[in-house]
Amino acid sequence: EPEVTQTPSHQVTQMGQEVILRCVPISNHLYFYWYRQILGQKVEFLVSFYNNEISEKSEIFDDQFSVERPDGSNFTLKIRSTKLEDSAMYFCASSELGDHSTIYFGEGSWLTVV
Amino acid sequence: AQSVTQLDSHVSVSEGTPVLLRCNYSSSYSPSLFWYVQHPNKGLQLLLKYTSAATLVKGINGFEAEFKKSETSFHLTKPSAHMSDAAEYFCVVTLSGSARQLTFGSGTQLTVLP
Repeated sequence: EPEVTQTPSHQVTQMGQEVILRCVPISNHLYFYWYRQILGQKVEFLVSFYNNEISEKSEIFDDQFSVERPDGSNFTLKIRSTKLEDSAMYFCASSELGDHSTIYFGEGSWLTVV
Repeated sequence: AQSVTQLDSHVSVSEGTPVLLRCNYSSSYSPSLFWYVQHPNKGLQLLLKYTSAATLVKGINGFEAEFKKSETSFHLTKPSAHMSDAAEYFCVVTLSGSARQLTFGSGTQLTVLP
């Protein structure tokens, strides 16, 4: 069964450093998303991406964050100048053009900022 | 704005007994509703979804949920729990056919006792 894959599964970074989380969405999907889950808190929407541009973003997704689809298969989340409160599990997800209400998630990238 | 409330943070059942995980939602529009499951160290897996068709929705692994508009509920049930059902379950709501932002509940941790 096709799946969303994410790398790395776990990354530890120093405060102030830049981090790039990578994702390979399901191949025929056209909508891409990032969500995050801070330990002990709810899963939160960050951003959705379609046709090479951001379609929706939450208030969490400020200038510190950016997303990119650098080629035909990868979808990345960049966090500039990481802060301690950026420590969380980051989930990539994707959905089809015809059924965009069903969103498939990857296994997550656990980011620890020290 | 839409929201979702999971009424129990922890549910414990014995293997072979029924499972009931409760969820109430609030939405100004016709919602799409989902249940996702997260096993330890795994991603979010879609169990089932409601998108304004049949009110009783069947999902994977023997789970089902019933959409009750009058009660604004979408409870998840399973007739007989299995040890492998132990996981965290999330009730999720989104606006049908428009927004792609999923709003997650706080989750219910299901423990299955032998």
